[in-house]
Amino acid sequence: KNQVEQSPQSLIILEGKNCTLQCNYTVSPFSNLRWYKQDTGRGPVSLTIMTFSENTKSNGRYTATLDADTKQSSLHITASQLSDSASYICVVSSGTYKYIFGTGTRLKVLA
Amino acid sequence: ETGVTQSPTHLIKTRGQQVTLRCSSQSGHNTVSWYQQALGQGPQFIFQYYREEENGRGNFPPRFSGLQFPNYSSELNVNALELDDSALYLCASSFGRAITDTQYFGPGTRLTVL
Repeated sequence: KNQVEQSPQSLIILEGKNCTLQCNYTVSPFSNLRWYKQDTGRGPVSLTIMTFSENTKSNGRYTATLDADTKQSSLHITASQLSDSASYICVVSSGTYKYIFGTGTRLKVLA
Repeated sequence: ETGVTQSPTHLIKTRGQQVTLRCSSQSGHNTVSWYQQALGQGPQFIFQYYREEENGRGNFPPRFSGLQFPNYSSELNVNALELDDSALYLCASSFGRAITDTQYFGPGTRLTVL
């Protein structure tokens, strides 16, 4: 069954600290993997996209990694800010049309 | 802001009714995808429209249908509403239908079915 699992479900960190979010998937065939940030009450915003051959992609303080062999990805956030408080969703694309979303990690950054 | 707009923002319906949700895509985008996001869950892909034709569908029954217009705006129609249809409905537009094209999401329509 095509699944995307994320951990932890929720996370609380202090401003300025780093954190890493995990995504494991069992999707096949694999096309690409994206990380999205979703603020409360808003639609998701794309942070990074990685294809099979890419193992790291950065977007400012966000760095995503992909291990296609173990089917794992991580999103590392450096020097967290209050505005990083949001849900982070991992999405794996399979074939031409299928987008499989994880349930997200809810991050709270405290001052 | 992504330039993708959705209406209405919130909607309350009763079981068995029909609903139409609307989405205006970002300028220059010809592809619109619709998603259902239940509370505490990730979005689930409903279908995608490319140049007015359905271009792929997720695991949703036929009572979920859609349209895309010549200006690439789109509608999602749901017939015979069920309680489980209560969710945030998101639309996303993109320049094309390629799996690598970035999707830009609207703010969503919150549907409550009583």
